[in-house]
Amino acid sequence: KQEVTQIPAALSVPEGENLVLNCSFTDSAIYNLQWFRQDPGKGLTSLLLIQSSQREQTSGRLNASLDKSSGRSTLYIAASQPGDSATYLCAVRDNYGQNFVFGPGTRLSVLP
Amino acid sequence: DGGITQSPKYLFRKEGQNVTLSCEQNLNHDAMYWYRQDPGQGLRLIYYSQIVNDFQKGDIAEGYSVSREKKESFPLTVTSAQKNPTAFYLCASSRGNRGVFGEQYFGPGTRLTVT
Repeated sequence: KQEVTQIPAALSVPEGENLVLNCSFTDSAIYNLQWFRQDPGKGLTSLLLIQSSQREQTSGRLNASLDKSSGRSTLYIAASQPGDSATYLCAVRDNYGQNFVFGPGTRLSVLP
Repeated sequence: DGGITQSPKYLFRKEGQNVTLSCEQNLNHDAMYWYRQDPGQGLRLIYYSQIVNDFQKGDIAEGYSVSREKKESFPLTVTSAQKNPTAFYLCASSRGNRGVFGEQYFGPGTRLTVT
């Protein structure tokens, strides 16, 4: 059964720092991987989607990489801002495309 | 504007009552999903549907029921059989047919409190 973990569970950094969030999954037979942001009490906002055949995706200050064989993905945030403070979740879709499995999230605080 | 709506935002019920959460999407997505989120935990899949009139159980379907009579709508009923119904419920949808699956988009969520 697919399991997804995220390290660290929480992270606090000063504004302007570059940072990396980690996501690991146990079964490399995935269809795609998606990174989300969740603000307190809100739904999830999609940040980046990486197909299993891709190595990375970029959107603005965000860059996500995927190493399927080792079961890892990283989300890189450049020049962090207080507005980046949120919980970041990764989710993998299985190879049949039917099911998403989510990690527990990393709670990020960017201090002004 | 295209998107997913969930109503209501907050819902309060007495123990022993069934309650139905609404989820509507106008993205023309085939696949729809219901998740439950508890404090400090990741999302857990309750039910999903890839096509009208068909749905599948997720990891924690016990005590829940769904229907998919229309492509745009996927209501979730929390029955009295659900032992710990108080949670944040999230609905999502994605493109998903003929083996092609896209990004998952989420609604704003419904916070259910049962006392």
